[in-house]
Amino acid sequence: SQQGEEDPQALSIQEGENATMNCSYKTSINNLQWYRQNSGRGLVHLILIRSNEREKHSGRLRVTLDTSKKSSSLLITASRAADTASYFCATDINTGGFKTIFGAGTRLFVKA
Amino acid sequence: GAVVSQHPSWVICKSGTSVKIECRSLDFQATTMFWYRQFPKQSLMLMATSNEGSKATYEQGVEKDKFLINHASLTLSTLTVTSAHPEDSSFYICSASFLNYGYTFGSGTRLTVV
Repeated sequence: SQQGEEDPQALSIQEGENATMNCSYKTSINNLQWYRQNSGRGLVHLILIRSNEREKHSGRLRVTLDTSKKSSSLLITASRAADTASYFCATDINTGGFKTIFGAGTRLFVKA
Repeated sequence: GAVVSQHPSWVICKSGTSVKIECRSLDFQATTMFWYRQFPKQSLMLMATSNEGSKATYEQGVEKDKFLINHASLTLSTLTVTSAHPEDSSFYICSASFLNYGYTFGSGTRLTVV
């Protein structure tokens, strides 16, 4: 990808289990965001974590950020079938102007 | 909240024709707009960044003469795929930002070139 990698590329779990997705990036960032995309649809912004933050929660979502390792994780607790989607991390980088670069994404499948 | 309207949501065109995709910020002034392309089962790849009133900055490998971007006003940016070919078939998504205070994405345009 243009900025970094995500793992796993695909994840299949049972409803009720937790899902953890990881994202690594290459350059210094201002913030990191997680998005969700249902098949063939637009993006839904889930959560933003700033470079000076280490952890953030939003409902069943928990995001961590480790700037020393240039990595972030997204945890979805008590997953539901409706959580089935692709999840992307995105970083805002400044290269003389700000732009948002996306990771490769993780395809999550939650089995009912 | 900030809303970005992208139109059309899908389009089918013949090979060799041009297609224009519009991206409008409905309730805020978008000083910067971004255009992304997404092939099936892949991530979003940034194509270009456009600032209102100035020329777009294209990412490496993106042909500026093929993907014409116009950002003539603070609420409208257009992407024109010129002389489209089947390999240009993709999902195109715009996003808009006001002074980099967050980004709002359009719902995307699925382009199919036959």
